Amino acid sequence: DSGVTQTPKHLITATGQRVTLRCSPRSGDLSVYWYQQSLDQGLQFLIQYYNGEERAKGNILERFSAQQFPDLHSELNLSSLELGDSALYFCASSVGTSDSDTQYFGPGTRLTVL
Amino acid sequence: SQQGEEDPQALSIQEGENATMNCSYKTSINNLQWYRQNSGRGLVHLILIRSNEREKHSGRLRVTLDTSKKSSSLLITASRAADTASYFCATEKNSGYSTLTFGKGTMLLVSP
Repeated sequence: DSGVTQTPKHLITATGQRVTLRCSPRSGDLSVYWYQQSLDQGLQFLIQYYNGEERAKGNILERFSAQQFPDLHSELNLSSLELGDSALYFCASSVGTSDSDTQYFGPGTRLTVL
Repeated sequence: SQQGEEDPQALSIQEGENATMNCSYKTSINNLQWYRQNSGRGLVHLILIRSNEREKHSGRLRVTLDTSKKSSSLLITASRAADTASYFCATEKNSGYSTLTFGKGTMLLVSP
């Protein structure tokens, strides 16, 4: 158990809908990262937050947004969902922003868009 | 685009044998990390090797890094059935940000 929790575990929804994925980092970690894992694209970095502020952006679509709240939990919002958004979404956390900080991954949310 | 590319895509061995996975990357890096993922679950950090290191050990794991060839290898010695998983290399570019770029992974199957 990494100490990172994600809810829900599974999510099934229809195209055009909007969903919110939630992540609670390990106690004491200030950085939260979101990743998307799909069969064709592999594991891709989406976005990073550090202590409530956006820190780095990866391959995140404009239809997706995220935020980190004062209690450090984070939410990833996916809107106008398309079939291709079906994937595993992982959250990871680390102590800070140093490149030597280990990222601890949550168990993921499996999103299925029908 | 993927920074790291693992080779082979899949590897099947018997318990007790050694498993070697390779990773190649394209741009200069601060460090390279290896992660393990059991089927459909979260990734587990295995080991980090810095760009100024050539070799690192952790238990049954041995990682090498050749920055001139932009490649790394992960060796798992005396493999066990519990080592069955996908293994990913992830690179941290010299960008000032602690973000990782993952390869597509090597699927390792260890048969009893």
